Amino acid sequence: GAVVSQHPSWVICKSGTSVKIECRSLDFQATTMFWYRQFPKQSLMLMATSNEGSKATYEQGVEKDKFLINHASLTLSTLTVTSAHPEDSSFYICSASGGAAGNEQFFGPGTRLTVL
Amino acid sequence: GNSVTQMEGPVTLSEEAFLTINCTYTATGYPSLFWYVQYPGEGLQLLLKATKADDKGSNKGFEATYRKETTSFHLEKGSVQVSDSAVYFCAVNSGGSNYKLTFGKGTLLTVNP
Repeated sequence: GAVVSQHPSWVICKSGTSVKIECRSLDFQATTMFWYRQFPKQSLMLMATSNEGSKATYEQGVEKDKFLINHASLTLSTLTVTSAHPEDSSFYICSASGGAAGNEQFFGPGTRLTVL
Repeated sequence: GNSVTQMEGPVTLSEEAFLTINCTYTATGYPSLFWYVQYPGEGLQLLLKATKADDKGSNKGFEATYRKETTSFHLEKGSVQVSDSAVYFCAVNSGGSNYKLTFGKGTLLTVNP
């Protein structure tokens, strides 16, 4: 199956700093990437959908200036958490679809963000 | 919007026991239904899916039937193995060209030898 990677797998940062998380489709060209957030014992909540070369579409209640998403190529999307605060601590998961993957979403392993 | 209610865990079973994880949904239009599995330390993987009413999805001994009348998509397996230990997520999309997924909270399954 199609493989999606995320980097880093975990990150700890100080409050007020920015953190960038990368999502890569390793063996297919992903025209669409999705970013999710997962709290402990909670559902995956869709944050935004990004299409290569265009601006991301954010879900209601997600601050676009807080969570910057860039999908500059068919194999890479980045999520930047700007001026992170402890309440941004969470598990962030990306998925990718398109190309050889068709409409099925293939998920990355997730990134654990802890803001001190 | 769409929503998914999934049986809360954790679920602990002995090897070869029968497994049922309940899932009900609310959705408009003609949604497709999914079960994803997340093994420890790995990303979510599609386990099975069904795209229309009465369809049965199956994979690796797991089955689920799309029941429109009861808006349910319960996951079953006749004989679980230790290697089935994982978190299972039920999900629904909006159908058509909108492939956004709405997930349940996930159910942790532990199978003991």
